[in-house]
Formats: sequence, structure tokens, C-alpha cells
Amino acid sequence: DAKTTQPNSMESNEEEPVHLPCNHSTISGTDYIHWYRQLPSQGPEYVIHGLTSNVNNRMASLAIAEDRKSSTLILHRATLRDAAVYYCILRDVGGGTSYGKLTFGQGTILTVHP
Amino acid sequence: NAGVTQTPKFRILKIGQSMTLQCTQDMNHNYMYWYRQDPGMGLKLIYYSVGAGITDKGEVPNGYNVSRSTTEDFPLRLELAAPSQTSVYFCASSYDRVSTEAFFGQGTRLTVV
Repeated sequence: DAKTTQPNSMESNEEEPVHLPCNHSTISGTDYIHWYRQLPSQGPEYVIHGLTSNVNNRMASLAIAEDRKSSTLILHRATLRDAAVYYCILRDVGGGTSYGKLTFGQGTILTVHP
Repeated sequence: NAGVTQTPKFRILKIGQSMTLQCTQDMNHNYMYWYRQDPGMGLKLIYYSVGAGITDKGEVPNGYNVSRSTTEDFPLRLELAAPSQTSVYFCASSYDRVSTEAFFGQGTRLTVV
């Protein structure tokens, strides 16, 4: 399974943008890049995903490097409710037994200061 | 929509006891997953299923069993509980295996004493 590398923790101030980086140098051509976050005492929730092009949704933006070996999740204006663990995941689309597994790493703990 | 529902939310088991963690989804998703999350760690895949009657092992299947007799339900069975199985268990589902989001339940916190 392709792996991702994220910083252990990051800090931000409320209402400022946050850029959460992720390295995935062994990504294959058919891996989708997914981001999930986990708030305290809750299950993970989907944030955004993409394949090659940058993506925007109501929660965040995803910037994908041209060579796809890295990506950045952008929270445009952090709020206290954005404090969570953010996971960058490569979702394996390959055939055989891959079955779209979401393989979680350690994630980045985001702290948002008032 | 209820989404993914897990029961129970909390449970304390004695060593050697058995139990079934229930997971049901009402979104007609084919793909379902069981994960465990130890304190301060990421999620590890236990078992997954791509449809009724089809299951397969994930990273940490030892000590667990699953079945998938219907699209909606994906129960996880613990036989002979051990302290190492103390964890938070999450069930998830998705419509397909790549391009759509996975939905997670709220988790079952299990303590084995």
C-alpha cells in the first residue's frame, strides 16, 4: 500500500488559513488522494478527495502537485471547530484484493488558537 | 438518513468472553469496513466486505470474525476477548471503492479486563 507522510502537529490561529501538507512519493497513477478528519471522540469524517486536479468544496481546498507526489489541504479560515486530527490517505483503486481500502497513517494534529 | 449505526457505544468484557459489535448502514453501500483505533494511534483495518457474502481480512484480523449476510449489516465478532483488544472500533461504508467518500459510525469503545 502506498504510504503518506504528514507532520505530527500544526498550530493555527482562528480565522487564519491553514495549509496541511502531505507527502506521498510512492503514489501510483490510479491512487486517489483522500483527506479525512477526526474530531475528539468521534469517527473520521470525509473532507475532500482528488486525483490530479485541484479540488474545492465547502469545507476545504485540495492542492495536488503536478507530479502527484505531494498534496496540501487548505482550510481557508480556521475555526475552533476545525481542531482535529487530519489524515491524508491514498485510496487504492487497483484490482485484485485492494478493495478501496482506506489505510490510515498517524495524521496531523491541528490545534487552533482563539 | 441514519448513516452508519454502531451498537453498543460502550462495553466492558472480561477476558475470555465473546461479543458481537453491530454495524448497520441504510445507504445501500456495497463496501463496508471494520477498523480499530488504539489510544493516540491511527485506524487499522480489521476486515472488509465488498458485498453480501464476500469478506476479506485487513491488517489486523486475528481474534476477530465477520459475516455479511445482507447489504445493510456487517457484524464483527470477538471470540475469547483479550486485553489487547481494548480499543475503539469503527465501522465504515462507501458506495464504491475509489471515488466516493466513506462514512464512519460513531464507534464502540471496548474495554477488556
